[in-house]
Amino acid sequence: SQKIEQNSEALNIQEGKTATLTCNYTNYSPAYLQWYRQDPGRGPVFLLLIRENEKEKRKERLKVTFDTTLKQSLFHITASQPADSATYLCALLPHASGGSYIPTFGRGTSLIVHP
Amino acid sequence: NAGVMQNPRHLVRRRGQEARLRCSPMKGHSHVYWYRQLPEEGLKFMVYLQKENIIDESGMPKERFSAEFPKEGPSILRIQQVVRGDSAAYFCASSPAGLEGYTFGSGTRLTVV
Repeated sequence: SQKIEQNSEALNIQEGKTATLTCNYTNYSPAYLQWYRQDPGRGPVFLLLIRENEKEKRKERLKVTFDTTLKQSLFHITASQPADSATYLCALLPHASGGSYIPTFGRGTSLIVHP
Repeated sequence: NAGVMQNPRHLVRRRGQEARLRCSPMKGHSHVYWYRQLPEEGLKFMVYLQKENIIDESGMPKERFSAEFPKEGPSILRIQQVVRGDSAAYFCASSPAGLEGYTFGSGTRLTVV
C-alpha cells in the first residue's frame, strides 16, 4: 500500500541554523509534491510545490528537493527563526485524472526552533 | 478575500445526533476538498467536489457521511447519527483548479459526547 513517511520525532534546532525535514514515500509515483505548514489549532498553509521533473525549488528561506529515484523530498529552512516553529506536512499528488489533483498527506514533522 | 471559511469552529453533539459542517471556499475557487484529522495522525482525504458534483468520495465512509457543494451556498459535510469515533478536526480546502493555491480553512472540531 502507499506510504508517506515523515519523522514523527520533533526536530529541535537553534535559531539561525538550517532545518532539514524529510519526506519519504513507497509504492507511489507522484507527479507533484507539496509542502505545508500547520500551526496548532489551524489549517495547513501551502508553502511550495515541486514537480517530478524538477530537482530543486526555492522560495525566500525555503528550499525543496525532489528525488524520484530515492523516493524522497527534503525541505530546508535556512536561517531558522523561532517563528518557524510549527508542524510541516508533505503531500503527494498523482498525475491528474480528469484534471483532478487530490493531495495525500504525510503525518508531518514538528519543528521547534530555540532562541 | 476572506479565505476559506469554516463554521462552526467547534461543534459538540451527543451520540446519535446529526452534525453539519459548512465550508465557504475562496472567491473564484471551484474545487472543494474535505479532510479529517485525528490527534497525532495526518490529514485523511474524504471527498472532493466541484459545483453540484461529487468528483471523488473514495475516502468517505459509506454510511452516515454525505457531502454536497450546491450551485449557491457553502459546501456541507453531513454526519448522521454521530458516534464517539467521529470526534476529530474536519478541514476543508479549496483551489482554483490546478496544483497550487490550495487554501485550507481553520477547521471544525467535532466532539461527540
